[in-house]
Amino acid sequence: AQSVTQLGSHVSVSEGALVLLRCNYSSSVPPYLFWYVQYPNQGLQLLLKYTSAATLVKGINGFEAEFKKSETSFHLTKPSAHMSDAAEYFCAVSDRSGTASKLTFGTGTRLQVTL
Amino acid sequence: DTGVSQDPRHKITKRGQNVTFRCDPISEHNRLYWYRQTLGQGPEFLTYFQNEAQLEKSRLLSDRFSAERPKGSFSTLEIQRTEQGDSAMYLCASSYRTGANNYGYTFGSGTRLTVV
Repeated sequence: AQSVTQLGSHVSVSEGALVLLRCNYSSSVPPYLFWYVQYPNQGLQLLLKYTSAATLVKGINGFEAEFKKSETSFHLTKPSAHMSDAAEYFCAVSDRSGTASKLTFGTGTRLQVTL
Repeated sequence: DTGVSQDPRHKITKRGQNVTFRCDPISEHNRLYWYRQTLGQGPEFLTYFQNEAQLEKSRLLSDRFSAERPKGSFSTLEIQRTEQGDSAMYLCASSYRTGANNYGYTFGSGTRLTVV
């Protein structure tokens, strides 16, 4: 079984500051890992995904994440926060066997960006 | 390509009533998934289809829930005898699976159900 843990349900940063959202995973098989963003009353938009190629994954809107097997982590970063980044962020894992490709999500981190 | 469409966007129903939601996937996608998201939580997997076959159901999907995907195109999710605990956002997603690869996993905007 797979699971992800997102540390910090709320993160607040100043505009222009570094964004760091933490995700640790547990998986009995090599995982596929994802970060999604959700704006109020909207569906989920894929930011980036790790599928066993490069461990540093670049996504949309300037976000990137690094897969660290030794730390079972897949933290999301952005060098400089923008007001438009304020949203809910979800880390998710899918088993690589791909028989279902269902995603198991964390509980989310709400990012607040202040002036 | 209009993405994954869900209808309605919002539904308010009285406890005990039946409701049905519809999901139209991206046209070339052969897989369709349903998730439920309660307030303050991440989405939870409910069920998925490959073409018209329902291949997996979560234990979250009680006997009051039924999903169909006739002809492998759109899908419906029906909840019978709704309860207040069914209040949630119901998300649909679709993807194209070929061999060991799964492409284009895309979510719709969801249907928000409120049971009063």
